[in-house]
Amino acid sequence: AQTVTQSQPEMSVQEAETVTLSCTYDTSESDYYLFWYKQPPSRQMILVIRQEAYKQQNATENRFSVNFQKAAKSFSLKISDSQLGDAAMYFCAYRSAYTGNQFYFGTGTSLTVIP
Amino acid sequence: DSGVTQTPKHLITATGQRVTLRCSPRSGDLSVYWYQQSLDQGLQFLIQYYNGEERAKGNILERFSAQQFPDLHSELNLSSLELGDSALYFCASSRAGFGQPQHFGDGTRLSIL
Repeated sequence: AQTVTQSQPEMSVQEAETVTLSCTYDTSESDYYLFWYKQPPSRQMILVIRQEAYKQQNATENRFSVNFQKAAKSFSLKISDSQLGDAAMYFCAYRSAYTGNQFYFGTGTSLTVIP
Repeated sequence: DSGVTQTPKHLITATGQRVTLRCSPRSGDLSVYWYQQSLDQGLQFLIQYYNGEERAKGNILERFSAQQFPDLHSELNLSSLELGDSALYFCASSRAGFGQPQHFGDGTRLSIL
């Protein structure tokens, strides 16, 4: 089974600064999707960004962008101009194209934004 | 609003009891997923249904069961409840096509006293 690893349980960033959250995954598959989800204190799960494995161009959504390194099986999330509302738990997820389209989630990184 | 509806939002019950959590997926979504999230923990995948059929099973206890009905809503049944079952239970849905993301409901917070 695929595994998703988020090696940083906690991170902090000063407001207006940039922070990068790490995610690595283990797979033997060639095609898949990767996602970042945000879970603020309200506990809602919110989709932040997604990336298809076959696309070399890194996905971007406003202040959120990814650094996708397929060979290294790395999928990091960069948050620019951090805002207080970015404080949340961030989960990296992998979706297989083959094994029943199941999702695999990492254990999460808790991001604190310091005013 | 994700379009995924979970009821009830909160549930308080006692050990040994049985409860049913309900999920209505987004319109057009055929897949439903159930997750358990204990306090300060990650998401534990329980089970997935696709168009009424079980598609994948995760760390779901034998005391737990689920089903997806012809109208695509899903129910998660938890029985012989234990204190450790206290958690936030999420339902998520997605469209067919592996590039489609999951959309999550707001969760049902289950408290076992």
